[in-house]
Amino acid sequence: GDSVTQMEGPVTLSEEAFLTINCTYTATGYPSLFWYVQYPGEGLQLLLKATKADDKGSNKGFEATYRKETTSFHLEKGSVQVSDSAVYFCALSPRAGGTSYGKLTFGQGTILTVHP
Amino acid sequence: GAVVSQHPSRVICKSGTSVKIECRSLDFQATTMFWYRQFPKQSLMLMATSNEGSKATYEQGVEKDKFLINHASLTLSTLTVTSAHPEDSSFYICSARRAGDYGYTFGSGTRLTVV
Repeated sequence: GDSVTQMEGPVTLSEEAFLTINCTYTATGYPSLFWYVQYPGEGLQLLLKATKADDKGSNKGFEATYRKETTSFHLEKGSVQVSDSAVYFCALSPRAGGTSYGKLTFGQGTILTVHP
Repeated sequence: GAVVSQHPSRVICKSGTSVKIECRSLDFQATTMFWYRQFPKQSLMLMATSNEGSKATYEQGVEKDKFLINHASLTLSTLTVTSAHPEDSSFYICSARRAGDYGYTFGSGTRLTVV
C-alpha cells in the first residue's frame, strides 16, 4: 500500500536558519503530494501541494518539489521564523481525478521548534 | 471560501456515554468526507470515508459499530463514538471534498477526553 516517510524530529532551529524536512513516499501511479501544518491544539492547514512530477508547491516562503525519480517531496524554507514552530506532515493521495482522491496517507509528522 | 466547521472543538464525557461530532461544509457541497484520528504525538490515521446518502467505508481495524458515521446531506457528516471508553480519547479530524472538483478542506478537529 501507499506510505509516506518523514525525517525524524524534533527539529530545533534558530530564527533565520534554513529548514529542510525530508519526505519520501511509496505509491502506485502518480499520487498528489501535500505538506500540512498543525499548530498546537489546532487542526491541519494545507501548506502547499503538487499534483504532478516536477511541480513546485510554494506558500509563505515554504517550497517543495515533486521528484518522481527519487520519490521525494522535501519541504524547504530559506529563513524560518519563531511563528513557524509547529508540526509538519507530508501526505499523499491517489491521482487527482480518481475516485479515491482526498483519501490521505500521512507521514509521522515532524515537530519544528524555532528559537529567537 | 471552502470552510469546514467541526464541533465541538473539545468534549469531555463519562465512560459509557456516547458523543457526537459534527463536520459541516459551510460554503460548498461535500460529496465525500473523511474522518481521521490522531493519537498524541503521532500521525493521523484514516478511520472511514463517508459518501452522502450511502454507508460509510471503514478502514481495517476500525469498529463500525463503535464509530457510527452518518452523511445525510451534502453539507453535514457526523461521527458518533458510542459507549466511549478512555482508550477512545483522541483528536478526531474531518476533511470534506468539494463536489465537482477535487479540492478538500480540513476541519479544526475535536479533542475527545473520556473519563
